[in-house]
Amino acid sequence: GENVEQHPSTLSVQEGDSAVIKCTYSDSASNYFPWYKQELGKGPQLIIDIRSNVGEKKDQRIAVTLNKTAKHFSLHITETQPEDSAVYFCAASNRGYSTLTFGKGTMLLVSP
Amino acid sequence: DTEVTQTPKHLVMGMTNKKSLKCEQHMGHRAMYWYKQKAKKPPELMFVYSYEKLSINESVPSRFSPECPNSSLLNLHLHALQPEDSALYLCASSSPGAGNTIYFGEGSWLTVV
Repeated sequence: GENVEQHPSTLSVQEGDSAVIKCTYSDSASNYFPWYKQELGKGPQLIIDIRSNVGEKKDQRIAVTLNKTAKHFSLHITETQPEDSAVYFCAASNRGYSTLTFGKGTMLLVSP
Repeated sequence: DTEVTQTPKHLVMGMTNKKSLKCEQHMGHRAMYWYKQKAKKPPELMFVYSYEKLSINESVPSRFSPECPNSSLLNLHLHALQPEDSALYLCASSSPGAGNTIYFGEGSWLTVV
């Protein structure tokens, strides 16, 4: 089955800095890679996703890159703000019912 | 409207109780999911329903019994749970098929005493 590795497990940055979270996956058949943000006490919220026919996608301060050859994808957050502090999960999917295999999560702390 | 609504938000139950978690979505999605999430861990898939039929059961103990009464509703019936079943239970929905966005609800916090 699919295995998703996520690094780092914690990331502390100053407000205004950039943050990068990296994930690798094992199954070359995976074709959909979402990123979720989970705030304390809440459910995961989709922030951006990318499909295997695209190498990069951007939405305001958030971008995701995908390298299919190397089987890794990354989340980039620019101009971080304290409200970006949360746990971020990457995931990969290749099964017919859109089931997801999650990475272990990254706790991002943005200090004012 | 990308909203999955779960009730109750918090539930405390004894090991001999029977209770249910409920989930509702009005996005026209025909795939619905139950995930379990322990503290500081990623969500783990429990069940998948596609077109109101159970498609995937990730070897979940029978004390958890899912039900999909119609295309908008998903229930999780709980009976004879153990303290280690205490967790955040997340409902999610999507269009069926690979690569479709999965939307999560806010979850139901379950404590088994």
